[in-house]
Amino acid sequence: AQTVTQSQPEMSVQEAETVTLSCTYDTSENNYYLFWYKQPPSRQMILVIRQEAYKQQNATENRFSVNFQKAAKSFSLKISDSQLGDTAMYFCAFMKHENPNNNDMRFGAGTRLTVKP
Amino acid sequence: DSGVTQTPKHLITATGQRVTLRCSPRSGDLSVYWYQQSLDQGLQFLIQYYNGEERAKGNILERFSAQQFPDLHSELNLSSLELGDSALYFCASSPTVYYGYTFGSGTRLTVV
Repeated sequence: AQTVTQSQPEMSVQEAETVTLSCTYDTSENNYYLFWYKQPPSRQMILVIRQEAYKQQNATENRFSVNFQKAAKSFSLKISDSQLGDTAMYFCAFMKHENPNNNDMRFGAGTRLTVKP
Repeated sequence: DSGVTQTPKHLITATGQRVTLRCSPRSGDLSVYWYQQSLDQGLQFLIQYYNGEERAKGNILERFSAQQFPDLHSELNLSSLELGDSALYFCASSPTVYYGYTFGSGTRLTVV
């Protein structure tokens, strides 16, 4: 079974600084997808960034980037120029590359990030 | 608005009762997923439907059931409710999993 571990229950960062959230996962699969979701106080789940395991290039989306280390099974999220609106719970998620119509996404326990003014 | 619609947004009910949560996926998405999020917890996968058929099952209790209708909307039925069933229930949809899921805003269920 695939497991996703987020070892930092809570983190804080000063506005405009950079912060990195950690995520590790356990799988015997070779092809899979990794995601970071953000859950602000509104509780809405918002996709931040995605990474395909067969792509070596790290994904980036504006101020958000990942450091994907396949051999180490590590998938960290870096937030640059942190903004107050980045305050949220961040979930790392894993999904196998199987039949795309028969699958489910597994989530870590989350990291609560607070951006301080 | 994510395009995934969940109703109702809030639900308060007594122990032993039965409730139905409804989800309409984004237009064109054939897959619907249900997740449970207890207070300050991660998301637990319950069940997936694809074009009306059950495709994957997680740790869904026997007291819970779901279905997806021909118009692709889905319902999650929770019966014999217990205090521990109080949680946020999310529905998500996807055209293909390669792009991740789009989540609805959730239904907050409180069992008293």
